[in-house]
Amino acid sequence: AQKVTQAQTEISVVEKEDVTLDCVYETRDTTYYLFWYKQPPSGELVFLIRRNSFDEQNEISGRYSWNFQKSTSSFNFTITASQVVDSAVYFCALTPNFGANNLFFGTGTRLTVIP
Amino acid sequence: SQTIHQWPATLVQPVGSPLSLECTVEGTSNPNLYWYRQAAGRGLQLLFYSVGIGQISSEVPQNLSASRPQDRQFILSSKKLLLSDSGFYLCACERTGQGEETQYFGPGTRLLVL
Repeated sequence: AQKVTQAQTEISVVEKEDVTLDCVYETRDTTYYLFWYKQPPSGELVFLIRRNSFDEQNEISGRYSWNFQKSTSSFNFTITASQVVDSAVYFCALTPNFGANNLFFGTGTRLTVIP
Repeated sequence: SQTIHQWPATLVQPVGSPLSLECTVEGTSNPNLYWYRQAAGRGLQLLFYSVGIGQISSEVPQNLSASRPQDRQFILSSKKLLLSDSGFYLCACERTGQGEETQYFGPGTRLLVL
């Protein structure tokens, strides 16, 4: 069975603080993809990153960075120097097997950045 | 890159009425298409997916059905809405081909059943 856990339901930070969103996953598959999506108040899910299970190299994109550790089944997301525009619900998701058709989502973390 | 349109953006319907939500895609051919539902304050649940015209797979038993009459058109329907059908419906598109396994989402339709 596949499962994605985002234990942090809500997080509030003051602007310019760094924040890390946690994601822990479960799968029996050896090949899989992990994703992060952002859902702003408008509702549309915005794709942020995809990581395949063979690539544990951390990735940085501007103020965003991702830490993938297979040993702990975690795929954490860090926002550096947070901004008000970062306020949104963030979802971590898993697709088991390359080419599979189902994205398993976590329940999301609502991030509020206070000016 | 692909663009995903959903219509309507918002809908208020009485219990027992029919439903038709439309999703259309531009900028890609032969995509995989998906319908998800997000209940208030909850995560996303996959309802249906389609790998081609006329090919529909259902993930959960429910009051809804889906159809794909054209390559880039995906429709979600119901003959009689229930209160529990209220939610935010998202259509997603995935390009086919190795290395393309990413789902991109449309703007969504907010459905309120009264």
